[in-house]
Amino acid sequence: DQQVKQNSPSLSVQEGRISILNCDYTNSMFDYFLWYKKYPAEGPTFLISISSIKDKNEDGRFTVFLNKSAKHLSLHIVPSQPGDSAVYFCAAGGVGGNLIFGKGTKLSVKP
Amino acid sequence: EAGVVQSPRYKIIEKKQPVAFWCNPISGHNTLYWYLQNLGQGPELLIRYENEEAVDDSQLPKDRFSAERLKGVDSTLKIQPAELGDSAVYLCASSLGVSGVEVTDEQFFGPGTRLTVL
Repeated sequence: DQQVKQNSPSLSVQEGRISILNCDYTNSMFDYFLWYKKYPAEGPTFLISISSIKDKNEDGRFTVFLNKSAKHLSLHIVPSQPGDSAVYFCAAGGVGGNLIFGKGTKLSVKP
Repeated sequence: EAGVVQSPRYKIIEKKQPVAFWCNPISGHNTLYWYLQNLGQGPELLIRYENEEAVDDSQLPKDRFSAERLKGVDSTLKIQPAELGDSAVYLCASSLGVSGVEVTDEQFFGPGTRLTVL
């Protein structure tokens, strides 16, 4: 059973608009969450993270929101740019534990 | 600063043949991970090393897969014999090895080795 779920395999948005990528998790023991971005033929690169004691973390155009009661997090990209087109993975982990990754969402930002 | 280096980038072999992947982590990173990524899936952990010790190999299929991290620096992952279902991307990642509630132990990934078993 998947502990980290990204239910949208793909998302298409217009340049300049907001991109919202969603992630749900089942294990309440996770205490930090990360988003990774992956371009074709490259390894995933770290984008932004949030610990379970916070509900929002912002870094430039990227904001991650965490709703612990709903076991849901989302990544907002504003404004979206064509260079943001990639696969985005949500990952969750516990203290001293390993990361569990979702299946990823392919974001396409159209000029 | 150099990132995580993996070789080869691509490998094509016939089933039942052995294959090995090599990873050199970022200098100073104590923790090294090997992941398997199937098409359309996220990375799945195979083994995690803290220095030269394998601290979690619960997901490593030990009948055919083996790994080592001699001297706690670079690492090799071997499959012998390879099966058709082993076709995937094998990712190596490294991290400093510090984690806590306020600190995430960010993992840095290499480009991966794409294995095709015919």
